[in-house]
Amino acid sequence: EDQVTQSPEALRLQEGESSSLNCSYTVSGLRGLFWYRQDPGKGPEFLFTLYSAGEEKEKERLKATLTKKESFLHITAPKPEDSATYLCAVHHRGSTLGRLYFGRGTQLTVWP
Amino acid sequence: DAGVTQSPTHLIKTRGQQVTLRCSPKSGHDTVSWYQQALGQGPQFIFQYYEEEERQRGNFPDRFSGHQFPNYSSELNVNALLLGDSALYLCASSLTFTSGSTYEQYFGPGTRLTVT
Repeated sequence: EDQVTQSPEALRLQEGESSSLNCSYTVSGLRGLFWYRQDPGKGPEFLFTLYSAGEEKEKERLKATLTKKESFLHITAPKPEDSATYLCAVHHRGSTLGRLYFGRGTQLTVWP
Repeated sequence: DAGVTQSPTHLIKTRGQQVTLRCSPKSGHDTVSWYQQALGQGPQFIFQYYEEEERQRGNFPDRFSGHQFPNYSSELNVNALLLGDSALYLCASSLTFTSGSTYEQYFGPGTRLTVT
């Protein structure tokens, strides 16, 4: 059973149209939730780490939030260069030394 | 500050052959994890190396093996290649603290392996 579920699978936005991506997780004993951006054929690029419910982090047009069962990646006034696949991953108490469990990602397309 | 590097970038092999992929971690990192990413999927954990030992392993057969060198670089070896081994192989590095906790994992650009 998937421990990390991301939705939607794909999202198309017009430039400037704000939206949110969702990452829900079923693991217990969360030690960290990570957001990555991945461009086609490239390795994931680290964006944020969230450790506890209520925590928020921002970077340019991106803002990540965390609750007890899910995380949101809010994209404000996106630009075409924000187009990428956004991956969510968790590290939980049952996995030693930082093994990450990834979702399948949300493929974001921002058109002009 | 050099990030995580991987070689080669692309590789084409035939079924039954063996392959070795290489990874150099980000400066200051001592732990290397390997992931397999099939098209349209999230990365799947293969194994992790710390202090030159395999510390944790995902659900992959023994055909997948690895090694970590004293300079923290790592190799991933896959024997008896199958068509299903075609994927993007990602290396991630991190720093492990004495408590056993780790922080963020930083990924390399990956090696695209095609098995024909």
